[in-house]
Amino acid sequence: KAGVTQTPRYLIKTRGQQVTLSCSPISGHRSVSWYQQTPGQGLQFLFEYFSETQRNKGNFPGRFSGRQFSNSRSEMNVSTLELGDSALYLCASSLRLGTDTQYFGPGTRLTVL
Amino acid sequence: GEDVEQSLFLSVREGDSSVINCTYTDSSSTYLYWYKQEPGAGLQLLTYIFSNMDMKQDQRLTVLLNKKDKHLSLRIADTQTGDSAIYFCAESENNNDMRFGAGTRLTVKP
Repeated sequence: KAGVTQTPRYLIKTRGQQVTLSCSPISGHRSVSWYQQTPGQGLQFLFEYFSETQRNKGNFPGRFSGRQFSNSRSEMNVSTLELGDSALYLCASSLRLGTDTQYFGPGTRLTVL
Repeated sequence: GEDVEQSLFLSVREGDSSVINCTYTDSSSTYLYWYKQEPGAGLQLLTYIFSNMDMKQDQRLTVLLNKKDKHLSLRIADTQTGDSAIYFCAESENNNDMRFGAGTRLTVKP
């Protein structure tokens, strides 16, 4: 069974631009969560989607948004990029809400110049 | 907020056992995890334990949970150079909103 895939793997943007990252969960998994990993803040939860609905949200500004499609694939969008948004963005999928474990993708490394 | 704390560095010799420790503050934690991150890669789930368990063993990995002290440890037996990585402890009440420690960088010397 294929794992969680994320595209693109690497991305370079400039301040003020916007970016969209994509995540395809493991086949059959319906829950997708997003995390930001930075050297200074570590791993932080962004939001979680299940059945196309955002179920949980971390403490991030409104510039960070996401959505989930009917096939459980998810995208996250960051608008008006800031230098501090440079990070590894990790997506994780699980079978259901509140059960099982999460399986992480390889991440998208975003660099904001 | 709720915290998960780990020591940042651990260095061991190949063949020795490694013990990585973690403490957490959220008493409602239900799931406790250990993830491994190799350079340039995402997170790999190593093992997890439910809060009603004291111990879980999986091949070279042993997880010990002291729920009273909110202390979690990961023991890697016969540590190999391929075990060199950053190990993250994480906890969750509902398995979706996870809180991670800062990660422990394990260096295995030949």
